[in-house]
Amino acid sequence: DVKVTQSSRYLVKRTGEKVFLECVQDMDHENMFWYRQDPGLGLRLIYFSYDVKMKEKGDIPEGYSVSREKKERFSLILESASTNQTSMYLCASSLLDQRNGYTFGSGTRLTVV
Amino acid sequence: GQNIDQPTEMTATEGAIVQINCTYQTSGFNGLFWYQQHAGEAPTFLSYNVLDGLEEKGRFSSFLSRSKGYSYLLLKELQMKDSASYLCAVRDVNYGQNFVFGPGTRLSVLP
Repeated sequence: DVKVTQSSRYLVKRTGEKVFLECVQDMDHENMFWYRQDPGLGLRLIYFSYDVKMKEKGDIPEGYSVSREKKERFSLILESASTNQTSMYLCASSLLDQRNGYTFGSGTRLTVV
Repeated sequence: GQNIDQPTEMTATEGAIVQINCTYQTSGFNGLFWYQQHAGEAPTFLSYNVLDGLEEKGRFSSFLSRSKGYSYLLLKELQMKDSASYLCAVRDVNYGQNFVFGPGTRLSVLP
């Protein structure tokens, strides 16, 4: 059963902490994405990557960075967590041409206190 | 830019039929997906439309009209397990071929 795995389902971090969210996919997909999901706002794209060591900003990259050192792993980094980054974070992957849509991970609910 | 609109919430009765609408405005339309998301879980793929018309898959069907910027998801013979959020996502060639997601429609199925 192919899947996208996010390392944590729930995280609680303090303001100012550096936070790492990890995502691993086993489908040999070229593309990987990080979204955050907030009530009434839907899914908003933070960063994406079409290849190893490649990254592109999405709609809301401020306060975030990413790392893709290996094809199967895409990490989201909150350099200094703030309360407005409390959210559900979803990782997704797809084939290069995205013809089959995205496969999503189960999400990480991050609370910054 | 892109703008996708869906009703926020809908309620229907078990065994009934419900239609969830999605309207969009994009500059480079290249396909529309519907996803289902149960509370606390990942979105899962339901359907894909790139040409006008109806795509049927069991109890679920999806319709697309590109000229009207309109799609709907039709759910027949509703079951309690269909209670979930339904996300409309549009692929835009002017958005790096990435998908733009609508806000989602929360469907509640009542006994």
